[in-house]
Amino acid sequence: AIQLTQSPSSLSASVGDRVTITCRASQGISSALAWYQQKPGKAPDLLIYDASSLGSGVPSRFSGSGIGTDFTLTISSLQPEDFATYYCQQFNSYPLTFGGGTKVEIK
Amino acid sequence: EVQLVESGGDVIQPGGSLRLSCVASGFTFDDYIMHWVRQAPGKGLEWVSLFSWDGGSAYYADSVKGRFTISRDNSKKSLYLQMNSLRTEDTALYYCAKGRITQQLVIGVWGQGTQVTVSS
Repeated sequence: AIQLTQSPSSLSASVGDRVTITCRASQGISSALAWYQQKPGKAPDLLIYDASSLGSGVPSRFSGSGIGTDFTLTISSLQPEDFATYYCQQFNSYPLTFGGGTKVEIK
Repeated sequence: EVQLVESGGDVIQPGGSLRLSCVASGFTFDDYIMHWVRQAPGKGLEWVSLFSWDGGSAYYADSVKGRFTISRDNSKKSLYLQMNSLRTEDTALYYCAKGRITQQLVIGVWGQGTQVTVSS
């Protein structure tokens, strides 16, 4: 199975900060990667698919990049509603797998 | 409005069986790949299984292969997960989810989940 390693596992940031989260795959997955945001007690929401395509209704401050094994999720200017846990997921091969998550907390 | 409503979660003893259901509305169920994803208390997301849009193919996580069976009834717009030989590590909130667009693997919509607790 393809392993996805997210870093950092958690971070503290302030409103207005630029935040970058990385996701590294144990083998190449082309651009078959998605990013999700999950808030406490809620189901996840899709942010990015196909590594860099913005999900429907997702604010433009979110962006994704990467291909192959190294991917990033960037929040250009962190907003209060962005404090949450973020997960990457690969869709290149079965079994599908998620990264371990990155918790973004308020500094 | 797209809705996915899961049910069937319960407290069950190790070694027992349970069947989860997910009823869909607001979209053409037949056209979408459907998933089960779980989340253990305080832990991350774990993909469990998916069933193709045409009912031809099912895939499983290694951790549940041989114990869980996914199925769907397009006439009832329903997805199921039969869970056998349950273990304490299967304790989790189980989400039903649909592909973002027809025949695509990316998850676009999630249900609110149903809780499964495996404990003696």
